Amino acid sequence: DTEVTQTPKHLVMGMTNKKSLKCEQHMGHRAMYWYKQKAKKPPELMFVYSYEKLSINESVPSRFSPECPNSSLLNLHLHALQPEDSALYLCASSQEGGTRLSTDTQYFGPGTRLTVL
Amino acid sequence: SQKIEQNSEALNIQEGKTATLTCNYTNYSPAYLQWYRQDPGRGPVFLLLIRENEKEKRKERLKVTFDTTLKQSLFHITASQPADSATYLCALRGNDYKLSFGAGTTVTVRA
Repeated sequence: DTEVTQTPKHLVMGMTNKKSLKCEQHMGHRAMYWYKQKAKKPPELMFVYSYEKLSINESVPSRFSPECPNSSLLNLHLHALQPEDSALYLCASSQEGGTRLSTDTQYFGPGTRLTVL
Repeated sequence: SQKIEQNSEALNIQEGKTATLTCNYTNYSPAYLQWYRQDPGRGPVFLLLIRENEKEKRKERLKVTFDTTLKQSLFHITASQPADSATYLCALRGNDYKLSFGAGTTVTVRA
């Protein structure tokens, strides 16, 4: 199984709502990532989990809260978002987290299209 | 600061021709470089990885070159087909070990 799954595919939420994005992989990968992608822009890294521990937080606002319950699952909890947070949210996984020598080819999920009203 | 530039935002070519995409980088010392394909509304899909000691890598109709002196990678799609229409992203690992992507080149292959 070389697939990363993400749910939901689409999400519309108001600025006062609380919602969660979910990501799952069964490739035995030990690194998992959240990216945010705006239209016609490249993916921007938000968070990295390595061996179920948060290793990178790219100064993301606290209204985004990641969680890694186990090595196969990654969640992104959303609360009090702003309209400018509307974007495609991508989850990815790789065999290991980054080092100079590891070739961390990343496997991406299909993304969640988030709209904040 | 570190920069990855993909020179063309869009490339339109006739079916059967070769598409050549460019990725230039500044202030990176990459051990390898990756190319991904992204279709609209979908996540990127890994295509090829080329290491710093490799000049060229091929996979089916795809060819990648890597020149660490010029700080440039070229990505070629030979005998292009309409199904090759997509956005192609190059990606590098920075000194902080994070993978960063270029802005991408959108290729449209006309039948």
